Amino acid sequence: DTGVSQDPRHKITKRGQNVTFRCDPISEHNRLYWYRQTLGQGPEFLTYFQNEAQLEKSRLLSDRFSAERPKGSFSTLEIQRTEQGDSAMYLCASSYPGGTSDVRAKNIQYFGAGTRLSVL
Amino acid sequence: AQSVSQHNHHVILSEAASLELGCNYSYGGTVNLFWYVQYPGQHLQLLLKYFSGDPLVKGIKGFEAEFIKSKFSFNLRKPSVQWSDTAEYFCAVNALINNAGNMLTFGGGTRLMVKP
Repeated sequence: DTGVSQDPRHKITKRGQNVTFRCDPISEHNRLYWYRQTLGQGPEFLTYFQNEAQLEKSRLLSDRFSAERPKGSFSTLEIQRTEQGDSAMYLCASSYPGGTSDVRAKNIQYFGAGTRLSVL
Repeated sequence: AQSVSQHNHHVILSEAASLELGCNYSYGGTVNLFWYVQYPGQHLQLLLKYFSGDPLVKGIKGFEAEFIKSKFSFNLRKPSVQWSDTAEYFCAVNALINNAGNMLTFGGGTRLMVKP
């Protein structure tokens, strides 16, 4: 499977604990995005990387949320001191194969299956 | 800021019925428009997209959508639905300005159930 991969698929944690999710984008995609989806809602944008640079992070929900993409390949999303309101599906997407001349390709995002977080 | 509205939260149809799902967005500039589908237990998949040109775009599985700029709409249609079309459908927009062009804004989704 050469799609976007997310790990773990499910995470159950107690309030106050830290959690970290991993996303592996489609190979050679240089853009990577994180979204959050709560029940009955559409995905909500959190942050975005181009290679290792985090170019948009103003939409992260609080300073408890942080994301990294240290080598421009996989990314991690960390939530510190989790709260029950953090319970949601966390989605990762990637786009834009490096080297393509089709600039529109950067705007087609491919999504992973998500990590479902339950905070007890 | 851009926003997306999907008017129908739940739609129930019988097989062979025609489908139209509404999507309106608010943003006055140039946009790219998308419909994504999420089948039960699966990840979001791109159904179709509009970048420019012919406002009637065709996607996979017989779906099409029409961009009407004057109405800020991008409605999804299918002439004859099948049971396998049971899924949740999301309309999404990205505004082509600065870094917002890299952010998809989604509607709340429409859950479609097709009865056999």
